Amino acid sequence: KNEVEQSPQNLTAQEGEFITINCSYSVGISALHWLQQHPGGGIVSLFMLSSGKKKHGRLIATINIQEKHSSLHITASHPRDSAVYICAGGMYSGGGADGLTFGKGTHLIIQP
Amino acid sequence: DSGVTQTPKHLITATGQRVTLRCSPRSGDLSVYWYQQSLDQGLQFLIQYYNGEERAKGNILERFSAQQFPDLHSELNLSSLELGDSALYFCASSVGPSGGGEQYFGPGTRLTVT
Repeated sequence: KNEVEQSPQNLTAQEGEFITINCSYSVGISALHWLQQHPGGGIVSLFMLSSGKKKHGRLIATINIQEKHSSLHITASHPRDSAVYICAGGMYSGGGADGLTFGKGTHLIIQP
Repeated sequence: DSGVTQTPKHLITATGQRVTLRCSPRSGDLSVYWYQQSLDQGLQFLIQYYNGEERAKGNILERFSAQQFPDLHSELNLSSLELGDSALYFCASSVGPSGGGEQYFGPGTRLTVT
C-alpha cells in the first residue's frame, strides 16, 4: 500500500469550477508538498506546508495533521490549470532524512 | 525557472550501456536529490547528497550510483542499462539536509533505452 494516496486519479471539469484534490498519508511526515507537472514534464513546487493553510493566487492548500490529510483547491479554474497535481510527503526515517514519497498524481483537465 | 539545471535533456542509448546524468543545484543549495519517474512506478526517490556526502538512499538499484562534487553539482551514473530504466530522471535541490524542506526541481532528463 502506498504511503501517500491521492484522489481522484482523474478529474475533468468546466472552466470556472471549484476544484478539490485530496491527499492522505499513512506515516508521519515533516512536511506535505503539492507539485504541478505539465505535459512537457517539468515539475513545479506549488506549496510546502506542515500545518494550517496556504494560499497563492487561485490555489489554496490545507493540511490536517491529526487526520493525516491535505487538500489542494483551485478556485475559478482555467484551462491553463490542466496538469497533473502530485502530493508528496517529506519523510524522516531513523536518524536521517529521506527524499519525498509521492502520490500517484491527479490528472486534471479543465475544459473551456 | 527553478534555478536547477540538468543535462542532457534527452538521451537515447542501447541496453547494456552506461550513461551519466548531470545536475547543478540552485545557487546556495547544498542538498541534491535524484528521482526517477516511470510510467509503471510513478515518481520514486533514488538518493540524496548533502554537501558532498551521501545523506539518504531510496529505491536506487545497485547498477546506479551518484556523487556530489566540491562545486555541489551532482552526477547520476546508470550502468548495464535495461529497457525498464527508460524514464524521466529529475534532480531537485534544497538548502538544508532535510527531506522535508522546500525542494526545487530541474527540468529532467528523458532517458530512452532501446
